[in-house]
Amino acid sequence: AQKITQTQPGMFVQEKEAVTLDCTYDTSDPSYGLFWYKQPSSGEMIFLIYQGSYDQQNATEGRYSLNFQKARKSANLVISASQLGDSAMYFCAMRVLSNFGNEKLTFGTGTRLTIIP
Amino acid sequence: EAQVTQNPRYLITVTGKKLTVTCSQNMNHEYMSWYRQDPGLGLRQIYYSMNVEVTDKGDVPEGYKVSRKEKRNFPLILESPSPNQTSLYFCASSLTSVNEQYFGPGTRLTVT
Repeated sequence: AQKITQTQPGMFVQEKEAVTLDCTYDTSDPSYGLFWYKQPSSGEMIFLIYQGSYDQQNATEGRYSLNFQKARKSANLVISASQLGDSAMYFCAMRVLSNFGNEKLTFGTGTRLTIIP
Repeated sequence: EAQVTQNPRYLITVTGKKLTVTCSQNMNHEYMSWYRQDPGLGLRQIYYSMNVEVTDKGDVPEGYKVSRKEKRNFPLILESPSPNQTSLYFCASSLTSVNEQYFGPGTRLTVT
């Protein structure tokens, strides 16, 4: 079965420091995709970044980058120069192929990030 | 404006009373999905749909039904709600399953 693990339930980080949020995954499917989403206290889900299993380079989007280590099955989110507005819940998710060729998404349990002024 | 809408946003109901949460998207997306969010458990996929008339179970489908008769709509049906279905529900859509998902605002359901 496919699984996403986020081992950090909560993190506190000083403003302007870089942050790494951990995500490990487990799948036997060679073709998969990994997503990161942000959920502020207001509740909406915001897409941050995507990495495909065959992508040669690590994905980057502004201050967000994905440290993709395929052999270790990890897809950590790195936020550079953290800001107060980065305080939120962060979810890692994986797209896999189910047995019948359809595709479902599995989310981790999330990491609550708090940026300290 | 591209968006996913859900209705109602808040619902309090009683055990056994059938209810439907509607979901609609205006982006012509093929992939639509329902999730429930519970503290400590993250988001868990209930059902998803690859296209009209194509639906499949996610990780927690028990007690829920869906249909996809039109591309834009993907209602979630609880035939006989129970208190353990009290949760925050999100509908989402994307062009395909490998593209970013656009989430609705969420529906907070309480079953007493």
